[in-house]
This record gives sequence, structure tokens and C-alpha cells, in this order.
Amino acid sequence: DTAVSQTPKYLVTQMGNDKSIKCEQNLGHDTMYWYKQDSKKFLKIMFSYNNKELIINETVPNRFSPKSPDKAHLNLHINSLELGDSAVYFCASSQDIRAGASGGELFFGEGSRLTVL
Amino acid sequence: AQTVTQSQPEMSVQEAETVTLSCTYDTSESDYYLFWYKQPPSRQMILVIRQEAYKQQNATENRFSVNFQKAAKSFSLKISDSQLGDAAMYFCAYRSAFGGGADGLTFGKGTHLIIQP
Repeated sequence: DTAVSQTPKYLVTQMGNDKSIKCEQNLGHDTMYWYKQDSKKFLKIMFSYNNKELIINETVPNRFSPKSPDKAHLNLHINSLELGDSAVYFCASSQDIRAGASGGELFFGEGSRLTVL
Repeated sequence: AQTVTQSQPEMSVQEAETVTLSCTYDTSESDYYLFWYKQPPSRQMILVIRQEAYKQQNATENRFSVNFQKAAKSFSLKISDSQLGDAAMYFCAYRSAFGGGADGLTFGKGTHLIIQP
């Protein structure tokens, strides 16, 4: 069973379109994240949710809107796509460190490569 | 804000040799976690090794070990008996234990490791 799964894995679309990436985790974790990996491989956090509540919202354009219907799901919707949005988007999850999580690591999905033409 | 610095954009090592990847970080916190993640061409983010700041003993996982120098804020990764499958991007990452760790991971820019047969 895949621990953190994202769909779709690849997404090619035109500028100006709206698209969504879905993420689900079956690890029972409390916190989920979206990361963006740019063309230089740099990974930067975009959002984090803890038990469906937004915790972090980094300086991301408001065209990006995360939605967490329950603590096992965190979806990313992007409006009016721009060329600069082309990247790999990673979903991740972790347990709350205060809950005595083993190791404290984040578990990542396989990434979704978004290409905006 | 915490920062993580990987000063080696690329490293090359002969198969079966030993290589050390450098990482330094900046924080004012005393309780945190440090990680090395590996990203092969498949783009999957794979945890290599973790270190909890309050543990003085350096972590070891088979051929992978770290040299954790808390006072110097240094966290290097040593790979012994390098194998072709070790070729990947390696990311050093920091996670605060404050607030349950909902801030997620702060990543360095990565080191591209090449293994020469």
C-alpha cells in the first residue's frame, strides 16, 4: 500500500487553465504539506495543514488554494496557471512530534510534474 | 528562520570509495531534527538517515553515517563503499521540534552525487 499518494503524476496544460492535484495519506498522520521543487531542484514549503487547519501559508500567490476535506487528504488547486508554475509538486505527511512520533521525518508522495505551455 | 546550506552542488566518487557530503545549518533553537534525503532520477524522496539534536551519538544506517557537530551546526553525511545505486541528489533538511514540527522541513539546495564505475 502506498503511504502517500498523489494524482496525477504528470500534468501538461495551457496557460490560463485551472488544475488540481490530489493527495491522500494512509499513515494516520496529523500534518500534511505541499512542497514545490523548481527546475534547480530546490524544495520549498508552500502550505502545511494540521488536522485540517492551515498552519503555514508561505508567500505563495493566491492562485494556489489548498483544501483539506479531512486529515487524510490535502488537495492543491491552481487557478490561472502561468509558465512559472511549471515544477514538481510534492505532497508529504508527518506525525506531530509532540505525539512521540518516531524519528520526526516527513513521508513524501512521488511528486506531480506540472508543465504549463 | 532556519537556513540549511549545502556548499557542494556536485560531488563525484569512484565506486567502492567513501564520500562525505557537507551540510551546515543556522538556528537559535535547541530541539530539532536533522535529515538526509536522497532523490534518485525517479524523483522519489527517500529518507537516508536522521539525527535528533539531543542525541550526542552520531546516527548510522548500514553504509551511511553522519558527523553531527551541534556546536558547529554541522551535519555531514558519509557514504562508505559507494555503489552505483547511490547516485542521486542528496538533500540535507532541518525540522524544528517547536510547535509539534508543523513547520515541516527546511531543505538545503542539494548535492548531486555521481558514482563513477
